Amino acid sequence: KQEVTQIPAALSVPEGENLVLNCSFTDSAIYNLQWFRQDPGKGLTSLLLIQSSQREQTSGRLNASLDKSSGRSTLYIAASQPGDSATYLCAVKPPSGTYKYIFGTGTRLKVLA
Amino acid sequence: ETGVTQTPRHLVMGMTNKKSLKCEQHLGHNAMYWYKQSAKKPLELMFVYSLEERVENNSVPSRFSPECPNSSHLFLHLHTLQPEDSALYLCASSRQGPDEKLFFGSGTQLSVL
Repeated sequence: KQEVTQIPAALSVPEGENLVLNCSFTDSAIYNLQWFRQDPGKGLTSLLLIQSSQREQTSGRLNASLDKSSGRSTLYIAASQPGDSATYLCAVKPPSGTYKYIFGTGTRLKVLA
Repeated sequence: ETGVTQTPRHLVMGMTNKKSLKCEQHLGHNAMYWYKQSAKKPLELMFVYSLEERVENNSVPSRFSPECPNSSHLFLHLHTLQPEDSALYLCASSRQGPDEKLFFGSGTQLSVL
């Protein structure tokens, strides 16, 4: 059974710092992995999607990597800003044939001005 | 504007009430989802519709009843709920294919008294 873990649960950093958020999954057989951002009381916004055949994806200050063999993905945020404060979730989709994404519980990030 | 609209944003109901949550997507997607988000728990997939046909139903109590009249609209009918059903209910949509990003609405914050 696929399980997704995100550690730490919460993180505070000063503005301008580069940071890495971690996502671990137990079954390396995945179809894709998505990173999402969620602001308090709101829905999720998709940030990056990595296909199982890819190693990384980049969008602006964000870079997500995928290492299936070790069951890990990281989200790198460069030059963090207070507006980056939110909860970041990763979700893994099992191989084709299911619609079910398995979500982690998220990392709550606070960037201090 | 995420392209997925949910109403109402907030709902307070008694255990004997009947209410419905509404979701509409303007993205031309062919799959729609209901998720439940409770504090400190991963998102739980409740129902999935693909091309207006229910394809997943994850052991959800019968007091939750989904309806998908067409590919753009999704409802969640609520009846005789329990206080533990209080949560953020999120609707999402996607297009089947290699880039299967999930797009979420802002959610309905439900409180059952």
